[in-house]
Amino acid sequence: EVQLVETGGGLVQPGKSLKLTCATSGFTFSNAWMHWVRQSPEKQLEWVAQIKAKSNNYATYYAESVKGRFTISRDDSKSSVYLQMNSLKEEDTAIYYCTTVADYWGQGVMVTVSS
Amino acid sequence: DIQMTQSPSVLSASVGDRVTLNCKASQNINKYLNWYQQKLGEAPKLLIYNTNNLQTGIPSRFSGSGSGTDYTLTISSLQPEDVATYFCFQHNSWPLTFGSGTKLEIK
Repeated sequence: EVQLVETGGGLVQPGKSLKLTCATSGFTFSNAWMHWVRQSPEKQLEWVAQIKAKSNNYATYYAESVKGRFTISRDDSKSSVYLQMNSLKEEDTAIYYCTTVADYWGQGVMVTVSS
Repeated sequence: DIQMTQSPSVLSASVGDRVTLNCKASQNINKYLNWYQQKLGEAPKLLIYNTNNLQTGIPSRFSGSGSGTDYTLTISSLQPEDVATYFCFQHNSWPLTFGSGTKLEIK
């Protein structure tokens, strides 16, 4: 059974940092291109970041809205992908999903940025 | 960035109706267009990938078509369980982008 489980969300003040973790199982993680996608309280989906596989030199891509503040990374030995979020803003408040964008999605984790 | 515009934003139809949802890209996306269904409280679920390929396990009443900048998701016979919001998503070029969604309701 395929599982993607996001953890690390919560309430954080503007300007602070948070790191999300997505632990996966049930598929060949090392070959997968992994993404973070978020959904705002208004229900709009926004692609956040992507990391390719080792064969693609772990290339990374970001939405303009998070470039320079967020960093996506992966640990193939742990079948996990991460999202380090720095300098958080209130508009980063959303449910964050870990996904392959194709078959597999996590259940999502809530991040609330508020003073 | 490629902007994805979905229409209509809300669609109300009767059970058994043929329903068409539209997605227009601001530039050619070379058929790299996915459709997702999202029900209340759930993660999005892939229905169609690369314009017209039905994801495994998805009922055959769902189909996709299009090219260039214009894409369509069709439900041939609307069922009560199809109530959801539908999003298109382009993965032709970075940054990848979603449409704003079409909320599908039953009359």
